[in-house]
Amino acid sequence: KNQVEQSPQSLIILEGKNCTLQCNYTVSPFSNLRWYKQDTGRGPVSLTIMTFSENTKSNGRYTATLDADTKQSSLHITASQLSDSASYICVVSTGEKGNNDMRFGAGTRLTVKP
Amino acid sequence: NAGVMQNPRHLVRRRGQEARLRCSPMKGHSHVYWYRQLPEEGLKFMVYLQKENIIDESGMPKERFSAEFPKEGPSILRIQQVVRGDSAAYFCASSTSGDTGELFFGEGSRLTVL
Repeated sequence: KNQVEQSPQSLIILEGKNCTLQCNYTVSPFSNLRWYKQDTGRGPVSLTIMTFSENTKSNGRYTATLDADTKQSSLHITASQLSDSASYICVVSTGEKGNNDMRFGAGTRLTVKP
Repeated sequence: NAGVMQNPRHLVRRRGQEARLRCSPMKGHSHVYWYRQLPEEGLKFMVYLQKENIIDESGMPKERFSAEFPKEGPSILRIQQVVRGDSAAYFCASSTSGDTGELFFGEGSRLTVL
């Protein structure tokens, strides 16, 4: 069982609408949680990174939340645009081995339609 | 372009041939990570290298796979005697720190084994 579970697996929304993507993890100990955006055929690009003490962080129209007690995170996208169509990947680190101990979720595939 | 550079972007090999994937990290980055991504799956850590040293290769298959990051030149992921199951996207990432420094990903190399 993957230690980082994302839902939904895929999502289709209309341009201009908001959406929320979920990430549940069982990774322990916990150091930080990152959200990446991966366009089709491209490499992942960092959106946010949150440590244990942070419960919300924004990057433009992207807002990530973290509840370290329940081990849940969400990524909220406001006023979606066609360019938001991509896979969104949740990544959790234990911090024990640094960057080489990152656990990747399988991603949520978001499609924004006009 | 000062980003992480990977080449080739696409590589086709027949079973039994060798595949060599190259990664030039961002300027000033001495930490390199290789990941493999299968369709509909999350990225899987393979190996972490610093200049001339393999720090963590716990994600590398025991046979046919090797990686290096020489003092001069790019990091190379080498797959000998490829099989169809090696078909995947291979991503390289670099960072300034091996702890929790931000990871910057390349665009990936897509290997297809016929």
